[in-house]
Amino acid sequence: EDQVTQSPEALRLQEGESSSLNCSYTVSGLRGLFWYRQDPGKGPEFLFTLYSAGEEKEKERLKATLTKKESFLHITAPKPEDSATYLCAPMRSNDYKLSFGAGTTVTVRA
Amino acid sequence: GAVVSQHPSWVICKSGTSVKIECRSLDFQATTMFWYRQFPKQSLMLMATSNEGSKATYEQGVEKDKFLINHASLTLSTLTVTSAHPEDSSFYICSASPRDREDEAFFGQGTRLTVV
Repeated sequence: EDQVTQSPEALRLQEGESSSLNCSYTVSGLRGLFWYRQDPGKGPEFLFTLYSAGEEKEKERLKATLTKKESFLHITAPKPEDSATYLCAPMRSNDYKLSFGAGTTVTVRA
Repeated sequence: GAVVSQHPSWVICKSGTSVKIECRSLDFQATTMFWYRQFPKQSLMLMATSNEGSKATYEQGVEKDKFLINHASLTLSTLTVTSAHPEDSSFYICSASPRDREDEAFFGQGTRLTVV
């Protein structure tokens, strides 16, 4: 059975204080590892897809990396608008289904 | 990026009634759409896979007679919650993948269902 564990559950940062979020996963046949941002009462907003170990992708203050068992989302010099819940989800290659972790809720104080 | 629209954004209904939620891919065709539900402070749980022109496939524990899914075209899937009860109150979200890029998934804005 697929398992996805995100840590920490919650992260409170001061503006400008960089940090990393972890996503550990076990999935049979990984097609890609997705990262989404979700604001309260909204659907997930696509951030990145990583396909192979060693791959890195960046978008503004966010950088995602992937190993065979984990993915990290690095937030560099965060701003209050980066406050959100960040979800990771590996996609299975045989049926394109996503398995979501519980998410990390990031709060950035000005 | 690709746009997926859900309607309505929120709905309140009485126990025993049925509610239909629409999921549309606005600028691409989607052979496959997925339906999720999300309880407060929990993650997304996959309910079913909706395939255009064929029956939906449901995850274990999801009642197919209660959650009716229709994927009548390449841009529209609907979820109907039949004989709704208060325990069906939740946040329902759909995702769609472009026909030629099935390894990408874009989400709608979600529908908040409250059953009273």
